[in-house]
Amino acid sequence: RKEVEQDPGPFNVPEGATVAFNCTYSNSASQSFFWYRQDCRKEPKLLMSVYSSGNEDGRFTAQLNRASQYISLLIRDSKLSDSATYLCVVKPDTGFQKLVFGTGTRLLVSP
Amino acid sequence: NAGVTQTPKFRVLKTGQSMTLLCAQDMNHEYMYWYRQDPGMGLRLIHYSVGEGTTAKGEVPDGYNVSRLKKQNFLLGLESAAPSQTSVYFCASRPDRGHSPLHFGNGTRLTVT
Repeated sequence: RKEVEQDPGPFNVPEGATVAFNCTYSNSASQSFFWYRQDCRKEPKLLMSVYSSGNEDGRFTAQLNRASQYISLLIRDSKLSDSATYLCVVKPDTGFQKLVFGTGTRLLVSP
Repeated sequence: NAGVTQTPKFRVLKTGQSMTLLCAQDMNHEYMYWYRQDPGMGLRLIHYSVGEGTTAKGEVPDGYNVSRLKKQNFLLGLESAAPSQTSVYFCASRPDRGHSPLHFGNGTRLTVT
């Protein structure tokens, strides 16, 4: 089983739609979780950190489910500019500074 | 504040040639990382460093060497390039606080023919 798994998509949605992605992780001791956004041929950029109680940033909501070992990203009122690949990132444990990336979920928002 | 700067942005090498990729950060971060990204593979960690003078292997270290002589710089070397090293290389850094995210450079596109 991969350490971090994502559905590659693509998810095709119309403008204004709500879309959600999940990301599962294998190490139950994982400590930190992030969502990054990556535009074609560009560097990944931090979208948001994921906190235990869940957190929201404008149209974006992130949730953590430790029991089932997954994190989720919800995007409301999708914009054309949301079209990108969304990367799930997990820090597996406290003693090792490696962060593990999922392969990403591609989102295409159409007019 | 430049953040993380990678040079060069593009490079074409012939098999067997060598090169060094430079990563510089001006945020006084302790941790620095080199990743490669290939289609369908996601980002894979090549080497990383937890401080000046230290380096460690990631998941795909073979064919690469690194050095961190100064805190702000992390160099990635290819001694004898192979076509399998054709990829996009990203450098990243983060401070030594447990839940801090990575800050990425804008990448180096390397083609080995």
